[in-house]
Amino acid sequence: GEDVEQSLFLSVREGDSSVINCTYTDSSSTYLYWYKQEPGAGLQLLTYIFSNMDMKQDQRLTVLLNKKDKHLSLRIADTQTGDSAIYFCAEKAGANNLFFGTGTRLTVIP
Amino acid sequence: DADVTQTPRNRITKTGKRIMLECSQTKGHDRMYWYRQDPGLGLRLIYYSFDVKDINKGEISDGYSVSRQAQAKFSLSLESAIPNQTALYFCATRPGANTDTQYFGPGTRLTVL
Repeated sequence: GEDVEQSLFLSVREGDSSVINCTYTDSSSTYLYWYKQEPGAGLQLLTYIFSNMDMKQDQRLTVLLNKKDKHLSLRIADTQTGDSAIYFCAEKAGANNLFFGTGTRLTVIP
Repeated sequence: DADVTQTPRNRITKTGKRIMLECSQTKGHDRMYWYRQDPGLGLRLIYYSFDVKDINKGEISDGYSVSRQAQAKFSLSLESAIPNQTALYFCATRPGANTDTQYFGPGTRLTVL
């Protein structure tokens, strides 16, 4: 079955870049996603990448995909305190569902 | 107004009690999901539904049941709650087959004593 792994915690200083990593097992995944969960709230879609792409940039966010190593990363440039949250990567599981990773809690230190 | 709402937002109950968690959506989406979130385990899928007549088990359906009363409503029941069902529960919706994007409710924190 699917297995999506992430580090549980990451701390960075305000203004630095954050890199959140994810490894997945299903090589047939067509889309991979990053969701953000702010304290006390549900998950919100942050960005996604199609499996035939290596990189996608969206303002301060850069997603890198290494299909050979089944490795996905999310880079947040100029990290702000408002970026403190839990970040989940997710892969498409079969035709119908998403399989979520364990989540990485990002703490931004002022 | 929130598109996906969950009630209650917090609930404390005792072992053996029956609990129902409600989810409503105004997005008009056909597909609805129930997940539970546990620290260090991420989100795990409990049940999902593609329309009113369609119910499917997810990864961890034992101890849970669901009811899709209408397109807009999907409820999760714990017939006899146990302490290891203490978790944060999320409902989500999805527009249809053309997109995998899911839209999440704010969550229900359930504590079973």
